[in-house]
Formats: sequence, structure tokens, C-alpha cells
Amino acid sequence: EVQLVESGGGLVQPGRSLRLSCAASRFTFDDYAMHWVRQVPGKGLEWVSGITWNSGNIGYADSVKGRFTISRDNAKSSLYLQMNSLRAEDTAFYYCVKGYGQWLVSAFDCWGQGTLVTVSS
Amino acid sequence: QSVLTQPPSASGTPGQRVTISCSGSSSNIGDNYVYWYQQLPGMAPKLLIYRNNQRPSGVPDRFSGSKSGTSASLAISGLRSEDEADYYCAAWDDSLSGVIFGGGTELTVL
Repeated sequence: EVQLVESGGGLVQPGRSLRLSCAASRFTFDDYAMHWVRQVPGKGLEWVSGITWNSGNIGYADSVKGRFTISRDNAKSSLYLQMNSLRAEDTAFYYCVKGYGQWLVSAFDCWGQGTLVTVSS
Repeated sequence: QSVLTQPPSASGTPGQRVTISCSGSSSNIGDNYVYWYQQLPGMAPKLLIYRNNQRPSGVPDRFSGSKSGTSASLAISGLRSEDEADYYCAAWDDSLSGVIFGGGTELTVL
């Protein structure tokens, strides 16, 4: 069974940075696109960013464009999200999500358990 | 405010059939596949329907999806108490060049 384990969440002050990691296992990581989706506790889902299997195509939600950077290391089966200039409205659970295929336009067929990022002074 | 519009809540009694709507536009639902996700209380979301009407293995055939023009629907037949969850529709948006979600529908089994 596919396993996605997020780490790196925590409490951070506004304006500071944080890097999330996702360790993937039990599937061929470099065959699939990967994404980050976030959810404010008690609220709905918001797609944050996605990256194709070979990092050739990357997308961001307008709300994080210019502040967040997604990347992946296929040799380590790992996905990352570098979050800079954090704001209070970035507070949310961040889910690591596997795409159904190689490209950004696909279903999200496996989700991690999420890591909580809290931006507060 | 979400680009895809869902009713905030829906309800039904055990055994009943309920439908959840998802309304979009030509840049998202009108031109791309629709996906549906189920989020049980305290859990991560789970893929329920992909490519408008396809079920991943393990998803009961009580769940079905459809799409017409710029709208989509999720139908749940033979409603069970364990279906009580939040349901989200999603689609790629060509104008935004990204994935968009509906605001979610909280389903209550009475």
C-alpha cells in the first residue's frame, strides 16, 4: 500500500520560512506527479502546488505564487515544499498527495495524513 | 469563495439516494474531468470518483458520478451511516492553470 509521510510542520512566526518534506514509499515515485494540498482546520481543501514526474512542469495556486517552491528528489522518493514569507492565512494542515499519472492534470489518488503548519507570533 | 459551487450540506435517511451537485464554468468542468473526494471525520481525503464517472477499485458501486456541460453530480444510493462525511468536487481550471476544489458538502445520515 502506498505510503506518504509528511514532516516539517510546526509553529512559525509571520514572515519566516518553513520547509515541508514528504517521504514516499511502496510505489515507483518517479512515475507520478505529486502535489501539496492544504486545509484550514474545519474548512475546505485548497490545492497549493503540483510537480510532474520529471519536474518539467510545476504549478502554484495564486495565493502562494512567488512565496512557495515545490521540488522533488526522485532518487530519495521525496517531495518538498519550501514556504517563505509565511502569513497567518497559510495556517493549515498540509497534505502530500500522489497524482494518478505523470502530469499535473490527474486525480489525487493517495493522500498522506497531513502536517500542521501554524503561523503566529 | 470557491470557483466550483457545491451546496454546503445534504442529508438523507438510510437506504435513500442523495445527490450532491457541483457547478463550474467552461474553463474548468466544461473542458476537463471532474473528480470527487470523500473526507471522513478526522481523516485525510480519499479519491471517490475520477474522470467524471470512474470508481477506483474498492469504492462501492453505490457511488456514481456524472457530468453535463459545466456541472457535475455525485450520487450515493443505498445510503449508510458510514457515508456521513464531507464531499468535495475538483477539476483542473485552464484559466488558473491549477486545480480547484468546490467548497465541500457535509453529508448527514439522519
